[in-house]
Amino acid sequence: SQQGEEDPQALSIQEGENATMNCSYKTSINNLQWYRQNSGRGLVHLILIRSNEREKHSGRLRVTLDTSKKSSSLLITASRAADTASYFCATVNNAGNMLTFGGGTRLMVKP
Amino acid sequence: GAGVSQSPSNKVTEKGKDVELRCDPISGHTALYWYRQSLGQGLEFLIYFQGNSAPDKSGLPSDRFSAERTGESVSTLTIQRTQQEDSAVYLCASSSRTSGTRETQYFGPGTRLLVL
Repeated sequence: SQQGEEDPQALSIQEGENATMNCSYKTSINNLQWYRQNSGRGLVHLILIRSNEREKHSGRLRVTLDTSKKSSSLLITASRAADTASYFCATVNNAGNMLTFGGGTRLMVKP
Repeated sequence: GAGVSQSPSNKVTEKGKDVELRCDPISGHTALYWYRQSLGQGLEFLIYFQGNSAPDKSGLPSDRFSAERTGESVSTLTIQRTQQEDSAVYLCASSSRTSGTRETQYFGPGTRLLVL
């Protein structure tokens, strides 16, 4: 079931700019993950941040987590045209199940 | 190694027919998940298998949907008497309970189902 919202729904930027996407959730979590999806097919795992972490980096990706606000953000720095995709956040509860939020953010990076 | 595979990649069926979708998880992954994604929407959780435990079927939308998994291998998702609203991409994912990767789910390419 969907528990929250992702914003923006769509984001269009120029290559080289930074892209920031946000998601919110409603229940307590064990961790939160961001995924990328190209052309409506399989999802690729990007990064996982645990509930006791506040910020995590992986390459050009930076994820923050604010459990008090039940929100997370994904920042892609120095974006490239190849970053064009849909980005989804998902949480994992302590039972190990995963739920997703909203419709994701559709990012378009113009060359 | 080989990732999660799903078959068929595309399926077109007539309303009222039954369909069976298959998922081959990554070898050794004990957890297997099915999701449904309607056009332009997020993922909808359907069912979760973990080892020999009873599956979590809380996401199945109706009794026309069922899924089975034999041990820690292949899973099949069956939709009986398909309806047009069943048209979607059905995604399968698996994950390992090994420390550090327990919750990371690896997705297959999906099966795109179209019910006419």
